[in-house]
Amino acid sequence: KQEVTQIPAALSVPEGENLVLNCSFTDSAIYNLQWFRQDPGKGLTSLLLIQSSQREQTSGRLNASLDKSSGRSTLYIAASQPGDSATYLCAALRGSARQLTFGSGTQLTVLP
Amino acid sequence: GAVVSQHPSRVICKSGTSVKIECRSLDFQATTMFWYRQFPKQSLMLMATSNEGSKATYEQGVEKDKFLINHASLTLSTLTVTSAHPEDSSFYICSADDRHSNQPQHFGDGTRLSIL
Repeated sequence: KQEVTQIPAALSVPEGENLVLNCSFTDSAIYNLQWFRQDPGKGLTSLLLIQSSQREQTSGRLNASLDKSSGRSTLYIAASQPGDSATYLCAALRGSARQLTFGSGTQLTVLP
Repeated sequence: GAVVSQHPSRVICKSGTSVKIECRSLDFQATTMFWYRQFPKQSLMLMATSNEGSKATYEQGVEKDKFLINHASLTLSTLTVTSAHPEDSSFYICSADDRHSNQPQHFGDGTRLSIL
């Protein structure tokens, strides 16, 4: 059974810092890995999706990498802003059932 | 982009009430929809996979008679929490599988259920 872990559980940084969020998964036979953002009391916003054949994806200040062999993915946020404050979730897709397994999330606070 | 509408966004009701939550794919057909539950400061836990025209598949530990799922059309799945009790209070989120998209699931905005 796939298990997804995110470290750290919470992170507080001053505005402007670059930061890295970590995600690890136990079963490397994934179809893809996805990073989401969740604001308090809200649904999920998809940030980046990395196919199993890819190593990284970039969107604006966000860069996500994937290393299937080590079972790890990272989300890099450059020049953080207070508006980046949210919970970030990673999720691994099991191809056959198209089911996502979510990590427990990293709660990010960017201080102005 | 693909849109999933979830309704209602918030429900507050008395213990013993049954509550129905709707999940609609607005611009694509979804043969499969997923229902998740999220407790405060915790991640999303898959409750069940809803398949159009057939019975839902429930995850271990989820009571199928407690959480009734109906997926009668390619654009609508419903989750009914029967005889809800305070311990059922949680945030419920649905997603719809768009097999024609690179993104596997499109998520609704969630339903905050509070049982008094």
